[in-house]
Amino acid sequence: GQNIDQPTEMTATEGAIVQINCTYQTSGFNGLFWYQQHAGEAPTFLSYNVLDGLEEKGRFSSFLSRSKGYSYLLLKELQMKDSASYLCAAGGNYQLIWGAGTKLIIKP
Amino acid sequence: DTAVSQTPKYLVTQMGNDKSIKCEQNLGHDTMYWYKQDSKKFLKIMFSYNNKELIINETVPNRFSPKSPDKAHLNLHINSLELGDSAVYFCASSLLDSNTEAFFGQGTRLTVV
Repeated sequence: GQNIDQPTEMTATEGAIVQINCTYQTSGFNGLFWYQQHAGEAPTFLSYNVLDGLEEKGRFSSFLSRSKGYSYLLLKELQMKDSASYLCAAGGNYQLIWGAGTKLIIKP
Repeated sequence: DTAVSQTPKYLVTQMGNDKSIKCEQNLGHDTMYWYKQDSKKFLKIMFSYNNKELIINETVPNRFSPKSPDKAHLNLHINSLELGDSAVYFCASSLLDSNTEAFFGQGTRLTVV
């Protein structure tokens, strides 16, 4: 079957680092997306990993292990504006399979 | 300037009514999508069109009918609305297919009463 798992909710402190994990099972795999969605808004693209390894983009980094069906999103120097849901999506044969998102709560 | 625009943003209607949501993208993308996001925040693909042709039609009731008059537009018509149709509906587009970055519209919050 096809499935994406990520934690429902995480809490972190402003200025800290947080890692959001995602595991996936898909029929065919082309790559792994991370999107950010603020409450009441549309998802916006953060990153796309096709090959194994870490991709860094400013304060955000994304990691992929294809053999383990595993990815994580690493957020550094957390800011209050990073409070949002983070959606993991795996590209399958014909479509993306989406996780339910991880709601990240940032505390001062 | 808006890349993907959908209207209306809010839609409140009674059970049994028929309604449409419009979507337009000015990015020159080949593929457009309709997604449904329910109260549990799951984002589920409903339809995908590539160059006006339907390529994904997930298991949605046939009361939902997409229409793509050209590759820049993908409208969603819903007949005989039911309470369970209440959700946020997102239109999106991507340059090639689902393995390229998707740009989302602002969403339409549909409430059926």
